[in-house]
Amino acid sequence: DTEVTQTPKHLVMGMTNKKSLKCEQHMGHRAMYWYKQKAKKPPELMFVYSYEKLSINESVPSRFSPECPNSSLLNLHLHALQPEDSALYLCASSQVSSFGYTFGSGTRLTVV
Amino acid sequence: AQKVTQAQTEISVVEKEDVTLDCVYETRDTTYYLFWYKQPPSGELVFLIRRNSFDEQNEISGRYSWNFQKSTSSFNFTITASQVVDSAVYFCALSGGRSEKLVFGKGTKLTVNP
Repeated sequence: DTEVTQTPKHLVMGMTNKKSLKCEQHMGHRAMYWYKQKAKKPPELMFVYSYEKLSINESVPSRFSPECPNSSLLNLHLHALQPEDSALYLCASSQVSSFGYTFGSGTRLTVV
Repeated sequence: AQKVTQAQTEISVVEKEDVTLDCVYETRDTTYYLFWYKQPPSGELVFLIRRNSFDEQNEISGRYSWNFQKSTSSFNFTITASQVVDSAVYFCALSGGRSEKLVFGKGTKLTVNP
């Protein structure tokens, strides 16, 4: 299995809702990442988990809460989001960063 | 700080034309890695190539070729005989040393017209 699987593919949520994005990989990769991509912009790093521990938080607002239950799973919990948080959220994994990153197909999030 | 510059925002060509996408990078790391990714309208980032800073050999894969020149800090990507299916946004990216961060350029949107 050489894929990173993200669910759901599309999500519409209200500003008072709580939702979660899920990411799964079975390649034995030790690092997992969340990226946010606004329209016509490059992906921007949000969080990095290395060996299931949070190693990088790029000053992301607390309404985004990552979780890594095990080495194959990565969640992003969403609460009280704003319309400007609407974006494509990409998950990625890597064995080591120098080997490259495998990206999922993303979750298109719309906050209304 | 690491930086990747893709000066070409959009390129439009006619099918079968050759096209080169430019990428210039900045880093203070002596060991670093350069990547190209393709992002079709569906959104998934598709890995195309990885090159480490010690390997300046150019690479060819089918219609794709990459020219890495450390002297000019460039890692350019050429598509030969372009096809409509090559239409996408192409990102050049850089990770340095032991950093977990992958820094992207702003991307070049390539449109190949029939």
